[in-house]
Amino acid sequence: GNSVTQMEGPVTLSEEAFLTINCTYTATGYPSLFWYVQYPGEGLQLLLKATKADDKGSNKGFEATYRKETTSFHLEKGSVQVSDSAVYFCASNFGNEKLTFGTGTRLTIIP
Amino acid sequence: GAVVSQHPSWVICKSGTSVKIECRSLDFQATTMFWYRQFPKQSLMLMATSNEGSKATYEQGVEKDKFLINHASLTLSTLTVTSAHPEDSSFYICSAMKQGPAREQYFGPGTRLTVT
Repeated sequence: GNSVTQMEGPVTLSEEAFLTINCTYTATGYPSLFWYVQYPGEGLQLLLKATKADDKGSNKGFEATYRKETTSFHLEKGSVQVSDSAVYFCASNFGNEKLTFGTGTRLTIIP
Repeated sequence: GAVVSQHPSWVICKSGTSVKIECRSLDFQATTMFWYRQFPKQSLMLMATSNEGSKATYEQGVEKDKFLINHASLTLSTLTVTSAHPEDSSFYICSAMKQGPAREQYFGPGTRLTVT
């Protein structure tokens, strides 16, 4: 079946540090891939997405590249801010709109 | 924007009682809404797909008679947990799909259910 595995948290970084949150997927085809972010007390928000191999999604300084050869979609940001503290979810779907989520990674940025 | 609300944000009920959770798309119409369940430190698990004007489609292992879903309008879906038990305690999250080519899901803030 289809699944998404992402880096276990929690992750704590200092402000301006480089961030990587790993995400890999298993699938019988080529899904669309997503990163969602959940800020405290709020619903999940789409952060970025990629729909085919080698696509790069980007938003708010975050980037992730769809790597077919490694079945990965790692989330990166060059310089994190305190306001980036949140829970990040990697997800996939196959066009049937049902999303399969990873377990979530809690990120805390300290000043 | 595309805002989805849930009500209540948290609820405590006694075993054996039923509780209804509402999911509303506030500024757009949604023919399709989804209900998820999230356990502590675990992923969101899709429970069912709710389609306006028709029966919900439940995922394997989800009891349809226990988790009643009604999608009576293009802006409202409800999830009723019937005869709740402590093991039903969880965080329930809905999402609504905005009509259009992108078909993006917009998520509600979730409802924390505690059954005592």
